Amino acid sequence: KAGVTQTPRYLIKTRGQQVTLSCSPISGHRSVSWYQQTPGQGLQFLFEYFSETQRNKGNFPGRFSGRQFSNSRSEMNVSTLELGDSALYLCASSPGRKSSYNEQFFGPGTRLTVL
Amino acid sequence: GNSVTQMEGPVTLSEEAFLTINCTYTATGYPSLFWYVQYPGEGLQLLLKATKADDKGSNKGFEATYRKETTSFHLEKGSVQVSDSAVYFCALGDTNAGKSTFGDGTTLTVKP
Repeated sequence: KAGVTQTPRYLIKTRGQQVTLSCSPISGHRSVSWYQQTPGQGLQFLFEYFSETQRNKGNFPGRFSGRQFSNSRSEMNVSTLELGDSALYLCASSPGRKSSYNEQFFGPGTRLTVL
Repeated sequence: GNSVTQMEGPVTLSEEAFLTINCTYTATGYPSLFWYVQYPGEGLQLLLKATKADDKGSNKGFEATYRKETTSFHLEKGSVQVSDSAVYFCALGDTNAGKSTFGDGTTLTVKP
């Protein structure tokens, strides 16, 4: 099976712009989660989508949003970029069945730099 | 809420040394526990997992035992290699799929 793919791998934007990141989960996985990784804050959960519905949400401002399509592919959008949004954005997929055995499979990430 | 505390790093060891990275957690219920590894420029890879108390996860010489009484999941390896140099994350899975809570990560450097 192909792994989780994320595009683009690298992105450079300027303050005030918006950006859209894409994630394709492992075939058959219905849950897609997004995380922000920074040296100062570590790995922080953004949100999770399951069957096109946001099921869980972290503590991020409304500038961060996402969606999921019927084929389980997901996008996240950040509007009005700030310097502090520079980070590695990781996408993870899992089968999505409600279970305590909820291993996640991660993509390589998108490195976003805001200038 | 859920939280994970990892031993502070970085950790520097010589090849063939014994490795322990401590991890303790706070959670409601009985979450699954995981160790992930991240190599430079890459995403996270699952190293091992345990889904219930007293389970031992193991992979590539690494082991960790789910200790409910001490709420711990310490990572161990008997003899590290240079190729083990990476960042290691302890994590617990929410009982609802899709969200994991991570520790801050421990950077391991193994010198020949």
